[in-house]
Amino acid sequence: EAEVAQSPRYKITEKSQAVAFWCDPISGHATLYWYRQILGQGPELLVQFQDESVVDDSQLPKDRFSAERLKGVDSTLKIQPAELGDSAMYLCASSPGGGSTDTQYFGPGTRLTVL
Amino acid sequence: AQSVAQPEDQVNVAEGNPLTVKCTYSVSGNPYLFWYVQYPNRGLQFLLKYITGDNLVKGSYGFEAEFNKSQTSFHLKKPSALVSDSALYFCAVRAPSGNTPLVFGKGTRLSVIA
Repeated sequence: EAEVAQSPRYKITEKSQAVAFWCDPISGHATLYWYRQILGQGPELLVQFQDESVVDDSQLPKDRFSAERLKGVDSTLKIQPAELGDSAMYLCASSPGGGSTDTQYFGPGTRLTVL
Repeated sequence: AQSVAQPEDQVNVAEGNPLTVKCTYSVSGNPYLFWYVQYPNRGLQFLLKYITGDNLVKGSYGFEAEFNKSQTSFHLKKPSALVSDSALYFCAVRAPSGNTPLVFGKGTRLSVIA
């Protein structure tokens, strides 16, 4: 069964450092999502891509976060500089299209700890 | 804006007993509703969804959910719980119009005791 791949699985960094996370969606899925899940909370959408275009980045803290999906396949989420409050699980998901009825399939996540 | 409430942080049930994990939602128009399960240090796994049609939706691992429009609820159920069902369960809702995000509840931790 095809899965969403993410790396690294765990990342520990010091505040003010830069970090980057990588996601490879299920093959053929046009839509890619990045979520942030704070401990004890549900995931919250950071950014949505349709192919290589950003569809929704309204909740992305653009002063420090950036995301790209240059060839419309895999994607990178970057934080620079990292802050203590960025400690969370970062989840990537993909779906065949971007429709509201589409099921989103999630990767295993990257657990970020900022010291 | 749409929202989801999962009123119970924790649900405990004995193995073999039926289980229910509650979810209520708020959205303009007819909702699209989803249930996901999360095991420790893992991503979310899709269980089932309601889009339209029959109010009782059957999903993976013997789970089902009932859509109740008048009560704006979408409770997750299973007739006989297994210890391996112990995990964190998330309800999510998406509005039918426009490119609105999938909004998750805070999650309910299910503990099935042998």
